[in-house]
Amino acid sequence: GQSLEQPSEVTAVEGAIVQINCTYQTSGFYGLSWYQQHDGGAPTFLSYNALDGLEETGRFSSFLSRSDSYGYLLLQELQMKDSASYFCAVKDSSYKLIFGSGTRLLVRP
Amino acid sequence: EAGVAQSPRYKIIEKRQSVAFWCNPISGHATLYWYQQILGQGPKLLIQFQNNGVVDDSQLPKDRFSAERLKGVDSTLKIQPAKLEDSAVYLCASSLVVDKTYEQYFGPGTRLTVT
Repeated sequence: GQSLEQPSEVTAVEGAIVQINCTYQTSGFYGLSWYQQHDGGAPTFLSYNALDGLEETGRFSSFLSRSDSYGYLLLQELQMKDSASYFCAVKDSSYKLIFGSGTRLLVRP
Repeated sequence: EAGVAQSPRYKIIEKRQSVAFWCNPISGHATLYWYQQILGQGPKLLIQFQNNGVVDDSQLPKDRFSAERLKGVDSTLKIQPAKLEDSAVYLCASSLVVDKTYEQYFGPGTRLTVT
């Protein structure tokens, strides 16, 4: 079967750093994507890791360890506007994107 | 560049009625996806097109759902007859090519309520 596990909810303070973890078990793996979705909005692409290591894009970074079937999204200098749901998604061998159930991030003042 | 367009934005129907959703992807994007997103869950792929051919429809309930992508551009998704459990947001997305499926651009979605 195919499964992606991520925490259902995370709370952090404005200005802090938060890490959202994702573990996966899929039939075939090409890479791990991250998407952000505000309430009532559309998912928007944040990052993609095909190889092990850390990718940095501004305040957001994403990490992948293929041997551990594990990745995370790191958000630095949290802002109120970062309150949203974050989804990890696996690109599998059939070129589909399989989404996790999402992590709801609440940023408090 | 214009984003992915979807209509209608909201739809309320009674069970057993039919409904259709329309999607216009980003110009030049060959791959188009329809997802179902139930509240509190991640998007679930229903069907994936490459140009006007179906790449994957393994999770499409074919007894009631159908989709087409004429001329490899616009697409429509139809539900007939609708059930209560079809209440969800239906998202359309596109990517430049199937190899870039990891980077998809989503439309605003259609929120369907079946009563």
